Amino acid sequence: ETGVTQTPRHLVMGMTNKKSLKCEQHLGHNAMYWYKQSAKKPLELMFVYNFKEQTENNSVPSRFSPECPNSSHLFLHLHTLQPEDSALYLCASSQGSSGITDTQYFGPGTRLTVL
Amino acid sequence: AQTVTQSQPEMSVQEAETVTLSCTYDTSESDYYLFWYKQPPSRQMILVIRQEAYKQQNATENRFSVNFQKAAKSFSLKISDSQLGDAAMYFCAYKTSYDKVIFGPGTSLSVIP
Repeated sequence: ETGVTQTPRHLVMGMTNKKSLKCEQHLGHNAMYWYKQSAKKPLELMFVYNFKEQTENNSVPSRFSPECPNSSHLFLHLHTLQPEDSALYLCASSQGSSGITDTQYFGPGTRLTVL
Repeated sequence: AQTVTQSQPEMSVQEAETVTLSCTYDTSESDYYLFWYKQPPSRQMILVIRQEAYKQQNATENRFSVNFQKAAKSFSLKISDSQLGDAAMYFCAYKTSYDKVIFGPGTSLSVIP
């Protein structure tokens, strides 16, 4: 379980706070992803980065701001969040190729609570 | 648009028995990939098994196997000799070569000792 790491594992923040989630992958992958996992809902893809370039923004509100400084690190900057943003935020990485080799490997997630 | 459906929100199985989790999907593509992921309570999501649509042979991984019915757009997961460690949320997922992965809503599996 050390291929993809996420910090912090738990975060409680107020609606006026600014915080960042960090994801790091040690698998030599080129693509990284942010997902939101809410109770009783399917995983929602938020952002995709391929070779450090953002290739997908799934209509995510601007209060979520991703950053990918290199292929190994991915951040999600949070500001002025709403209580409905409380969820498990999952990071994943993959080779970034087409086909079945593009299997995603997930981190443990950050459990976010917005008060 | 592609969709993935898992019609069983919750399932249970007796330890050592066999259980089948169902998954159907909707697509107009002919070439794609299907995955089953497992998410144990408070633990990481991990890949269980994957299948390429152009392969007719069903994928197997130890106690896990799939029944892939392309015409019916069905991709069920069979877990044999169920163990307590198999208790988890199971997600079916679909992907084409260049598209994002689409996940189903998940099935929560309980294993009864």
